[in-house]
Amino acid sequence: DTEVTQTPKHLVMGMTNKKSLKCEQHMGHRAMYWYKQKAKKPPELMFVYSYEKLSINESVPSRFSPECPNSSLLNLHLHALQPEDSALYLCASSQPGLAGGHEQYFGPGTRLTVT
Amino acid sequence: GQNIDQPTEMTATEGAIVQINCTYQTSGFNGLFWYQQHAGEAPTFLSYNVLDGLEEKGRFSSFLSRSKGYSYLLLKELQMKDSASYLCAVISSSGGSYIPTFGRGTSLIVHP
Repeated sequence: DTEVTQTPKHLVMGMTNKKSLKCEQHMGHRAMYWYKQKAKKPPELMFVYSYEKLSINESVPSRFSPECPNSSLLNLHLHALQPEDSALYLCASSQPGLAGGHEQYFGPGTRLTVT
Repeated sequence: GQNIDQPTEMTATEGAIVQINCTYQTSGFNGLFWYQQHAGEAPTFLSYNVLDGLEEKGRFSSFLSRSKGYSYLLLKELQMKDSASYLCAVISSSGGSYIPTFGRGTSLIVHP
């Protein structure tokens, strides 16, 4: 199984809503990532979890709150978002230590629209 | 910080060969990945280079020169389905963590 799944596929939320994005993998990967991608732009790294611990937070606003309940699951909790947060949110997983050539496997993404 | 540069767009003919270049400036270089991304889909892994030289994988090859901060992706026998965005991603290490930074991507259009 080389699949990373993400739910929901699409999400529309108001600026006062609270919602969560979910990501799951069963490849035994111990590193998981959240990226934000705007149209015609590259993915921008938001968070990295390594062995279920947050190892990188790329100065992401606190309205985005990641959570890694176990080695297979990664959540992104959203609260009080702004319209400019509308984007494709991609989850990825890999073996820790990308330098070993351990490529990232990406999920299909959640298309988020903030109204 | 990282600085990664790729051409924005390239066009090529079906059956031809195309080379997509990527130049980078980074500290703590720990490898370079190439990904393919079709519109509206997730990126998929194509190749990885950490040492200088050429890595070949079927129709796709990737080259790295660390001293020049330069890589290219070579696509042979182009097919229409190769029309996609090609992302160069540089891995840098910092404080024991490995941080991937993506270039803006090169949109490749293959025409008959």
